[in-house]
This record gives sequence, structure tokens and C-alpha cells, in this order.
Amino acid sequence: AQTVTQSQPEMSVQEAETVTLSCTYDTSESDYYLFWYKQPPSRQMILVIRQEAYKQQNATENRFSVNFQKAAKSFSLKISDSQLGDAAMYFCAYRSLYAGGTSYGKLTFGQGTILTVHP
Amino acid sequence: DTAVSQTPKYLVTQMGNDKSIKCEQNLGHDTMYWYKQDSKKFLKIMFSYNNKELIINETVPNRFSPKSPDKAHLNLHINSLELGDSAVYFCASSQDISGMVQYFGPGTRLLVL
Repeated sequence: AQTVTQSQPEMSVQEAETVTLSCTYDTSESDYYLFWYKQPPSRQMILVIRQEAYKQQNATENRFSVNFQKAAKSFSLKISDSQLGDAAMYFCAYRSLYAGGTSYGKLTFGQGTILTVHP
Repeated sequence: DTAVSQTPKYLVTQMGNDKSIKCEQNLGHDTMYWYKQDSKKFLKIMFSYNNKELIINETVPNRFSPKSPDKAHLNLHINSLELGDSAVYFCASSQDISGMVQYFGPGTRLLVL
């Protein structure tokens, strides 16, 4: 079974600065997807960025980018030019590429990292 | 224009009661999910349905019964509520069974006294 670990329960950053959130995972599969979700105080989960394991190029979405290290099974999220609205809990998630049957579409989440942005 | 909605947003009830949480999506998606987020914020899938058919059924007590009257709705019924059921329950949907991009509802905070 796959596991996802976020070793930083909390992180903080100054507005306009850059912060990196860490995520590691354990899997025996060679192809899979990785995600970062944001959960603001409103509680709704919002997809931030997605990475396909078979792609070597790191995914980027505006101020959000990832550092995907497949051999190290590491998937960190970098937030550049942090804004007050970035304050939230961030979850890393894993999805098998070939999962079928009762695991099809299943996301496995990490424990989350609370990000505080200071003005 | 809410994409995934849940009712109620808050639910406070006594142990032993039976309660339901409703979920509706207006995205035209085929697949819907229920997740549980416990007090430590750990988020775990409970069920998924694709076109009203049960796909994922994690190790969940059979007091929890999902019901999908149509592909736009996935309700969660909980019998004989226990203290440990207190959590935030999230509904989500995705365009198809691959679940590549999942859209989450706002969550329902359940407190069992």
C-alpha cells in the first residue's frame, strides 16, 4: 500500500517571500500521479497542482511549482511571492496510474502542513 | 453556481442517533466520493460511486451506507452514531472514474455528543 508523509506540521512565510513544503511517498509502482491540494479556513479542498510521474519536467501553475524527485520519492511544493490568501492547510496526495477495481481513482493523502503567511 | 454542495454544513447530534448528509454536484460528473477528515486533519476516502455504482468501499463500519439516487447525488447515511464518528465529511466529484481531478464540497462538520 502507498503512504504519503508530510513531515512539516506547520510552516510560516513572510508575504512576498518563497516557501517550500515537503512531501515524501512510498510506493512500489513506477507510474502514478501526485497532487497538492489546498484547504483554506473555508474547509473546501482545492487542487493546486498535479504531476505525472512519467514526466520529468516539473509542473508549474503560476506562483506554484513542484520539485519532483522520482528516485528519492520526493514531491515538494514551492510557493513564490507568497500572498496572504495562500494561508491554508496543504495536502500532498498520491494516485496510482493503473489502480483498478476497488482502488480505482483512490487518492491517498498526507497529514497536511499548515501554512501561515505573515504580512 | 456551486459546483459541489453539501447539506448540512454543521450537524450536532447525540450518540445512537441516525443521520444523513446530502451531496449534490452540478458539474455533470460521473463519479462521486465521500472522504472523512478526522480531528488530526487526516483525510481518508470512504466510498466512491460511478454512475450510481459502488466502486471504492474502504474499511468502513457498515453503519455507514452511501446512497446514490442518480449520478448527481451521493448521500451518506450513518446509523447508531458513535463519538468516534465526529469528523468533517467531504463529498467530491470527478469527471470520470479515473478521478484525476477531484472537486471537493465545503464539508460537513459532524459532532456526536
